[in-house]
Amino acid sequence: QGQLVESGGGVVQPGRSLRLSCAASGFSFRRFGMHWIRQAPGKGPEWVAVIWYNAINKYYADSVKGRFIISRDDSQNTLYLEMSSLSAEDTAVYFCAREAFDGFDMWGQGTMVSVSS
Amino acid sequence: DIQMTQSPSSLSASVGDRVTITCRASQSINSNLNWYQRKPGKAPVFLIYAVSTLQSGVPSRFSGSGSGTDFTLTISSLQPEDFATYYCQQSYSSPWTFGQGTKVEI
Repeated sequence: QGQLVESGGGVVQPGRSLRLSCAASGFSFRRFGMHWIRQAPGKGPEWVAVIWYNAINKYYADSVKGRFIISRDDSQNTLYLEMSSLSAEDTAVYFCAREAFDGFDMWGQGTMVSVSS
Repeated sequence: DIQMTQSPSSLSASVGDRVTITCRASQSINSNLNWYQRKPGKAPVFLIYAVSTLQSGVPSRFSGSGSGTDFTLTISSLQPEDFATYYCQQSYSSPWTFGQGTKVEI
């Protein structure tokens, strides 16, 4: 059925950078568009970024545009999110999710990113 | 951006109750409406897509309805495993947006 496992979260100072990874298994990773979605404490989920199956088309939420970069390595079945110029507003649980049926049909359990001095 | 507003933000119910959650979009999203369930510490689960189509493996006590701007998620007979937070999400236009959630409590 498949699985997504995020890693790379942690505590980081404002202005610093962090790279998240999402390891996919059990399905044909290269065939799917993949997303990053985050959820801050007490708030609803917020879509962050998408990379299409072709790895060429990438789109970002305005809140992260110019600071975050989404990428994928289909040979390693891994999705990445490079985050820079982090601020307290970026504190959240970050999920990777697979796009299918016009929604997000598979999610990881998330990795926590806390931006604090 | 399309704003998604859910009501209520939380509700208390008992096993066997019929539960209805409402989701309203700030503009018409046709039938591009999905529902998710999230339990603490677990990955969100994709319940319903395109307003009313149950994802594979989702129990038939879950159902969805609506069109345009107003949508509902109904659980016909609440089971112990259904106590969770539910989110609607529009896939009509980017950026994809979610409701703030409805927590279903005992």
